[in-house]
Amino acid sequence: GAGVSQSPSNKVTEKGKDVELRCDPISGHTALYWYRQSLGQGLEFLIYFQGNSAPDKSGLPSDRFSAERTGGSVSTLTIQRTQQEDSAVYLCASSFFNKAEAFFGQGTRLTVV
Amino acid sequence: AQSVTQPDIHITVSEGASLELRCNYSYGATPYLFWYVQSPGQGLQLLLKYFSGDTLVQGIKGFEAEFKRSQSSFNLRKPSVHWSDAAEYFCAVGEKTSYDKVIFGPGTSLSVIP
Repeated sequence: GAGVSQSPSNKVTEKGKDVELRCDPISGHTALYWYRQSLGQGLEFLIYFQGNSAPDKSGLPSDRFSAERTGGSVSTLTIQRTQQEDSAVYLCASSFFNKAEAFFGQGTRLTVV
Repeated sequence: AQSVTQPDIHITVSEGASLELRCNYSYGATPYLFWYVQSPGQGLQLLLKYFSGDTLVQGIKGFEAEFKRSQSSFNLRKPSVHWSDAAEYFCAVGEKTSYDKVIFGPGTSLSVIP
């Protein structure tokens, strides 16, 4: 596609429910990132996929968070048993191998009530 | 591992004044360096990037940045700020390896006084 696409753009969920956030990167981009941005805060790194290498999961805040990337393209970030502190904008970005310039999607705004 | 610091959490400048946003990085080799801007309610947009060559790079919207290896810095500058420049600015560093991971700084919030 022309840009990084994220869905849904907004998600309201009840505390304790599971949510799935989707990211469709730019075609041909081998690297994919997930970041979290809480209100008024900077970018918190969550997870990084690069080609067929094992993902860098060092930023995932708890075992309730997981992500997968199928076929080296689309990625899904899953948050289990959501808590109110999970409310944030979740941003996905992708980049070309060895160029490292990241292109961002518009984000998914998650609200846990 | 690489890291990025932006010492100024928030800066306020008058419209028409000059601007410099600071960025320092920690990395063992010459990294890729970026500045991104996030306007209110908008996504992140790349302002400029440094990969190699001339250490003074020009970006969009009249911004420039200078890579200073000796100071491990990549400060963003603009000679005359416009009210529309009010936004969050993020410095980022990428690895010149096969791994390609990009790390972002905490951001600097810029307010512009008319």
